[in-house]
Amino acid sequence: AQSVAQPEDQVNVAEGNPLTVKCTYSVSGNPYLFWYVQYPNRGLQFLLKYITGDNLVKGSYGFEAEFNKSQTSFHLKKPSALVSDSALYFCAVITGGGNKLTFGTGTQLKVEL
Amino acid sequence: DAGVIQSPRHEVTEMGQEVTLRCKPISGHNSLFWYRQTMMRGLELLIYFNNNVPIDDSGMPEDRFSAKMPNASFSTLKIQPSEPRDSAVYFCAAKTSATGELFFGEGSRLTVL
Repeated sequence: AQSVAQPEDQVNVAEGNPLTVKCTYSVSGNPYLFWYVQYPNRGLQFLLKYITGDNLVKGSYGFEAEFNKSQTSFHLKKPSALVSDSALYFCAVITGGGNKLTFGTGTQLKVEL
Repeated sequence: DAGVIQSPRHEVTEMGQEVTLRCKPISGHNSLFWYRQTMMRGLELLIYFNNNVPIDDSGMPEDRFSAKMPNASFSTLKIQPSEPRDSAVYFCAAKTSATGELFFGEGSRLTVL
């Protein structure tokens, strides 16, 4: 079985400050990890993924995430938040050989001036 | 490519009526997924297809729900008869491989009165 936990329903941060959205996972085998963003009344959009290789992956809009195998985490980060980053963020996991992505419950990010 | 196209974007119907949601995936993306999103239950996978063949329909809530993919460029999700608790946003998504990113449509917002 595979699962993803996003422990925070909401994260608030001031514009210009760094942001972190947390994600931990549980899988049997090697994980493939993804982050998606959803703006109001839109479908989910892909941000970045970790498949193998460098633990730090960079994605769209200045976001990055670090794969930490020992802590089974894949936290999403950005050095300087923008008001336009305010959205719902989903972490997702799939294991090798599978095709079904399991999503977390989502974290609402609110960036304020 | 225009991306994953869903129709209708909004549907309001009365309890007991049949609802058909449609999806046109991106050409060449041979895995297609139907998700349902609600505030209470988050993002739920209903069913997915590989190469037009249904692989896992364990998320389909009950017999009132059915999905088909008659060819690589078209899929439908049908609810008959519809009930108020089916009110949700239904997303179609597609990808090319197990490690590939999912591309989501903009969703079909269903309201059952």
